[in-house]
Amino acid sequence: NAGVMQNPRHLVRRRGQEARLRCSPVKGHSHVYWYRQLPEEGLKFMVYLQKENIIDESGMPKERFSAEFPKEGPSILRIQQVVRGDSAAYFCASSVVVGAGANVLTFGAGSRLTVL
Amino acid sequence: DAKTTQPPSMDCAEGRAANLPCNHSTISGNEYVYWYRQIHSQGPQYIIHGLKNNETNEMASLIITEDRKSSTLILPHATLRDTAVYYCIVRPPYSNSGYALNFGKGTSLLVTP
Repeated sequence: NAGVMQNPRHLVRRRGQEARLRCSPVKGHSHVYWYRQLPEEGLKFMVYLQKENIIDESGMPKERFSAEFPKEGPSILRIQQVVRGDSAAYFCASSVVVGAGANVLTFGAGSRLTVL
Repeated sequence: DAKTTQPPSMDCAEGRAANLPCNHSTISGNEYVYWYRQIHSQGPQYIIHGLKNNETNEMASLIITEDRKSSTLILPHATLRDTAVYYCIVRPPYSNSGYALNFGKGTSLLVTP
């Protein structure tokens, strides 16, 4: 009965490198969400994906960031050419409908990216 | 999504009930009230949700006023491990962003010995 699994838990990158964060949703969940939490700030929605489709990426920075949720395997959040401002905790969540349209998001423990 | 207003911080003595208020005066008829919390450095954790009726589960109770313009999350016997930021979120059943939640600043609850 594993929850949302994120890895790596901690990632250190130098400016200009690429960061890849992985998220395996709760078994049976087909909706995945990515959130970012900058130091001392709140959680900000980035992107919502279903299998093989990006549904809403309104919170995703226009450049350097991309996300995918392939038919097989985990969801990936990719950050190219990282900058110090990308240092943050990145949380993944998955969801299932719990009757009458209400919904519960299950969050992972997060991946903490530090850019040197 | 309806806007919510929460006090920035609250204190509660261990063993006492913690009552966390939330105002959502612009809530629409089909919008649910959700409560989540985030213990320091951890992922957010679902607590409870409701539409019109009061709800109770093993973690907490949710009291929603009759006009639905405000609600209160009750932790009946707060423990030190309940120290966290508590988020009250109002949203419709489904939207273009699926079931994505918009987290505000929440209430930072400190439970003291």
